[in-house]
Amino acid sequence: GQQVMQIPQYQHVQEGEDFTTYCNSSTTLSNIQWYKQRPGGHPVFLIQLVKSGEVKKQKRLTFQFGEAKKNSSLHITATQTTDVGTYFCARTLYNTDKLIFGTGTRLQVFP
Amino acid sequence: DTGVSQNPRHKITKRGQNVTFRCDPISEHNRLYWYRQTLGQGPEFLTYFQNEAQLEKSRLLSDRFSAERPKGSFSTLEIQRTEQGDSAMYLCASSLTGQRFYGYTFGSGTRLTVV
Repeated sequence: GQQVMQIPQYQHVQEGEDFTTYCNSSTTLSNIQWYKQRPGGHPVFLIQLVKSGEVKKQKRLTFQFGEAKKNSSLHITATQTTDVGTYFCARTLYNTDKLIFGTGTRLQVFP
Repeated sequence: DTGVSQNPRHKITKRGQNVTFRCDPISEHNRLYWYRQTLGQGPEFLTYFQNEAQLEKSRLLSDRFSAERPKGSFSTLEIQRTEQGDSAMYLCASSLTGQRFYGYTFGSGTRLTVV
């Protein structure tokens, strides 16, 4: 289908541990976007990946787009309590600007 | 510009009543989107506009839902004859098409509770 699947659904980590969420699609993606939603908040855009094999970094966050453009990952190094929230990957369909969100990974960080 | 603004923040209505939500996007953004989000789920696409034109509407959206964006500025989402299953957070987002992509900017949403 059109939706992208994310794993894990939940992740609890101790502050300072690393965290990774994976996004998988059965079809080739034109691009992948990542959003963060804090508890009680709204999704906030983090990044867009377009090129096969692309890797981008934002401070402690590393985003990767698979070589086949069917999967993506978000890795957080040395988590902090401010990283708490749900991380969504999202795709657009070819020839449309409609954004389809993944199932999300909820991250909880214990101090 | 303070971002995407949505009103009201909360709405409680009785089943069968009509409700209308408003979204004011970032002024220079030409695209506006409506999403619905229930607890523990990702945002679900409802419809989107480019300027005043409604380009796509989700097949999941029943005829009770209608959206407008007169003059290509603010947008309204109306739900007629509300049902308990309509209870959700309704999110509006806007974006600017162009060479560089800055992502969708979401508003804080309108939480609808149908009792």
